[in-house]
Amino acid sequence: SQELEQSPQSLIVQEGKNLTINCTSSKTLYGLYWYKQKYGEGLIFLMMLQKGGEEKSHEKITAKLDEKKQQSSLHITASQPSHAGIYLCGADRATNKLIFGTGTLLAVQP
Amino acid sequence: DADVTQTPRNRITKTGKRIMLECSQTKGHDRMYWYRQDPGLGLRLIYYSFDVKDINKGEISDGYSVSRQAQAKFSLSLESAIPNQTALYFCATRTEMNTEAFFGQGTRLTVV
Repeated sequence: SQELEQSPQSLIVQEGKNLTINCTSSKTLYGLYWYKQKYGEGLIFLMMLQKGGEEKSHEKITAKLDEKKQQSSLHITASQPSHAGIYLCGADRATNKLIFGTGTLLAVQP
Repeated sequence: DADVTQTPRNRITKTGKRIMLECSQTKGHDRMYWYRQDPGLGLRLIYYSFDVKDINKGEISDGYSVSRQAQAKFSLSLESAIPNQTALYFCATRTEMNTEAFFGQGTRLTVV
């Protein structure tokens, strides 16, 4: 299994609904990243979290880091079709590796 | 022009053939990474490099090799391609730990 597990694996929501994606690490988190990918394309950086309890927002997307639980959540408010894609969390490891999670496929129905 | 360029963008090759995927960057970053993406598995790290003299194995390095020809270039080779290496391959670069990584557009490789 991968060191970063995301849930759910896929999600279909109606436009305007809120949703949450979780990323759980099996090891200590040093830095946590969220990226978005449109199907088959490159990755777009959303935000980075470094400290426990840190919360960042960009437009209608908010991410939080719970260092104790070794977990991060990504919350989208009032989803739009433009939010559809694959969301990936990434994390630094002590060895300077940058690894990524299993991905969450989001579909937003108009 | 893109900051991180991968070539080719698409490739179909036969089982047993040697193939090289190339990545070049104009960002002046020291750290470079190769990942593969399969449906339902997110990104998995193949190899990473901190400079031209430093190459490290990632999570799934078997069947792959890399070459860091210069700070700006990092190539991934499949010495003898097999069908389960069919995937979308990404190159990424960044300055150091705890910074954003920048990705290429990906190379879609199909091994038949």
